[in-house]
Amino acid sequence: GAVVSQHPSRVICKSGTSVKIECRSLDFQATTMFWYRQFPKKSLMLMATSNEGSKATYEQGVEKDKFLINHASLTLSTLTVTSAHPEDSSFYICSAYLKREVGIQETQYFGPGTRLLVL
Amino acid sequence: AQKVTQAQTEISVVEKEDVTLDCVYETRDTTYYLFWYKQPPSGELVFLIRRNSFDEQNEISGRYSWNFQKSTSSFNFTITASQVVDSAVYFCALSEHFYNQGGKLIFGQGTELSVKP
Repeated sequence: GAVVSQHPSRVICKSGTSVKIECRSLDFQATTMFWYRQFPKKSLMLMATSNEGSKATYEQGVEKDKFLINHASLTLSTLTVTSAHPEDSSFYICSAYLKREVGIQETQYFGPGTRLLVL
Repeated sequence: AQKVTQAQTEISVVEKEDVTLDCVYETRDTTYYLFWYKQPPSGELVFLIRRNSFDEQNEISGRYSWNFQKSTSSFNFTITASQVVDSAVYFCALSEHFYNQGGKLIFGQGTELSVKP
C-alpha cells in the first residue's frame, strides 16, 4: 500500500523558535495533503488542506500566519509552526490523498505523526 | 453541517467478550464516505474500513464487522472475541467529497477501548 512519512517523529524546542514538519508521499503523487492536529485524549482536528502549487486552505480558527503550509511538489508538504509557544505542543498528523485514475477508489493515507513539545 | 458523534468515550471489556463501538453521523449530502480508524498508543492511524453511502451491506473482516444503517445515520463497529491487542482508540470519520479530489475527513471524538486479560 501507499506510504506516507513524516519527519521528524518528535521534536522538542524552546518557546519562540520555529519548527518545520515534513510530510512525504513515498510511492505516489499526492496533489492534496491534509494537516491535522490532535491534543492528548482528543480527536483529530483538520487544520488545513494543502494543494500542490497553490495556497493552502485553512479551517476556521486556524492562524495561517502561525501555521505556514507549503506544498512545493507532488510528494512533499511542509508545516512550519512559527514562533512556537507551549500551547502549540501537540501531535501533528498529515495525510496524502491518492486519487486513482478510474472510478471511485479515493484513498487517504496517514503519516505516523509528529509529536511537538514546546518548552 | 457535517458531524460525527461517538458517544462512548471509554469502554472496558474482558478478553473474549464482544464489543460494539457506536458511531452516528450527520450530513446533508446524499453521497459520502464513512471510515473507521484504529489509533494504538504509538499514535499512527490504522485504516480499518471505508464504506460509501450507496452500499449498506454489512461487512465482516475476521473478528471485525460493521453495521451501516442509513435510516438511523449509524455506522457501528463490532469486535468479536476481543483481544488485548485490540486495545486502542477507535475513530469513526466522515468525508462528504465523494467524487471530488481531496476529501477532508471529519472525525468523531474517538472511543478508547481497553481489553483486559
